[in-house]
Amino acid sequence: DAGVIQSPRHEVTEMGQEVTLRCKPISGHNSLFWYRQTMMRGLELLIYFNNNVPIDDSGMPEDRFSAKMPNASFSTLKIQPSEPRDSAVYFCASSPSRSSGELFFGEGSRLTVL
Amino acid sequence: SQQGEEDPQALSIQEGENATMNCSYKTSINNLQWYRQNSGRGLVHLILIRSNEREKHSGRLRVTLDTSKKSSSLLITASRAADTASYFCATDKGNTPLVFGKGTRLSVIA
Repeated sequence: DAGVIQSPRHEVTEMGQEVTLRCKPISGHNSLFWYRQTMMRGLELLIYFNNNVPIDDSGMPEDRFSAKMPNASFSTLKIQPSEPRDSAVYFCASSPSRSSGELFFGEGSRLTVL
Repeated sequence: SQQGEEDPQALSIQEGENATMNCSYKTSINNLQWYRQNSGRGLVHLILIRSNEREKHSGRLRVTLDTSKKSSSLLITASRAADTASYFCATDKGNTPLVFGKGTRLSVIA
């Protein structure tokens, strides 16, 4: 298995632009998580899905952030409009079930908003 | 918050020495996990210990859990330069997503 695949690995954009981050979870995994990592705040959970349904989006910082999971093999995290404080590494992770324990992380998308 | 907090924030040791990292958390948990993150990479699961377990081993890793003190430790024995990474603890309450600490940066000097 290729593991969790994220794209792009690096994104540099200007303030106000729309950013879309993509994730392909491991086949057969039912839960998908989006985390954001910064030096100041560490790893923060943004949102997670179970069987393609958003379960908890209380970690999404603002209405500028949105996430979708149209099918079991694809999820997007969108920021519109982007701001410099959104600069971070965004990780997608998947798990066989919501309570199975181990998370499998992608390599992350490093976002820089100028 | 049940967020774990690792201690120390950074640790530098010589190759061959043992490295001990600690994690404290605030509320009761179901499981505690340790993850490793190499620079510029994603997190990789190392070991999971359940709330009814006190110690677990995996290769050169030894994890302990003390639920009365709400703390865990990760011991890496006979460290190698390749162990250089950040190490995170993460906790959950059962049907809840993992909450991560800010990690310990371990440097192993050859």
